[in-house]
Amino acid sequence: DIVMTQSPLSLPVTPGEPASISCRSSQSLLQSDGNNYLTWYLQKPGQSPQLLIYLGSNRASGVPDRFSGSGSGTDFTLKISRVEAEDVGVYYCMQAMSSPATFGPGTKVDI
Amino acid sequence: QLQLQESGPGLLKPSETLSLTCTVSGGSFNSGSVYWGWIRQSPEKGLEVLGIMSYNGRPYTPSLKSRVILSLDTSKTQFSLNLSSVTAADTAVYYCVRYTGSSSRAFDYWGQGTLVSVSS
Repeated sequence: DIVMTQSPLSLPVTPGEPASISCRSSQSLLQSDGNNYLTWYLQKPGQSPQLLIYLGSNRASGVPDRFSGSGSGTDFTLKISRVEAEDVGVYYCMQAMSSPATFGPGTKVDI
Repeated sequence: QLQLQESGPGLLKPSETLSLTCTVSGGSFNSGSVYWGWIRQSPEKGLEVLGIMSYNGRPYTPSLKSRVILSLDTSKTQFSLNLSSVTAADTAVYYCVRYTGSSSRAFDYWGQGTLVSVSS
């Protein structure tokens, strides 16, 4: 199975300031079709995870443009340009390059 | 708006079989481009994909292969998970999910989750 790691595991943030989370995979997530099969999710307190970013850099429907995903191969980054109070929760990256899909351990973001 | 809702028992004894059902409403169920599946979350193992299946394809159950059975009931727009011989290690929050398959390979809809505890 592909192993996903994230850093940091805990991230204190300040509203209005940028924030960044790193995700690394044990194998390349870049497929021959040119897509990176890397997805980001946010689990807000008391809620189910929700899709933020798919294919490494595509925002899901309804996701604010302050969220952006980048990277290729084995190194990926999720950036929040200006953190808002509603962005607190645990952020997970997930690979879908090979089965089974596997998740990172999560990064807890709080203010 | 597509909605998924899990239902099933919250407490089981070791060696029993866990049976959960997910009811899908507000969207297309019989599409060949999406899959339906189950993910569980525990403090010990984090988020773990148990299996997915399409309405007309074979199920794929990477985790706990021999213990997991997935099924679909298109007439009721429901799909189910059966996990046999449960132990305390199967205690977790279980989510039913929609998976977008080959297009973007993302879990784009999640149920609210149901807590399952295994204890004697």
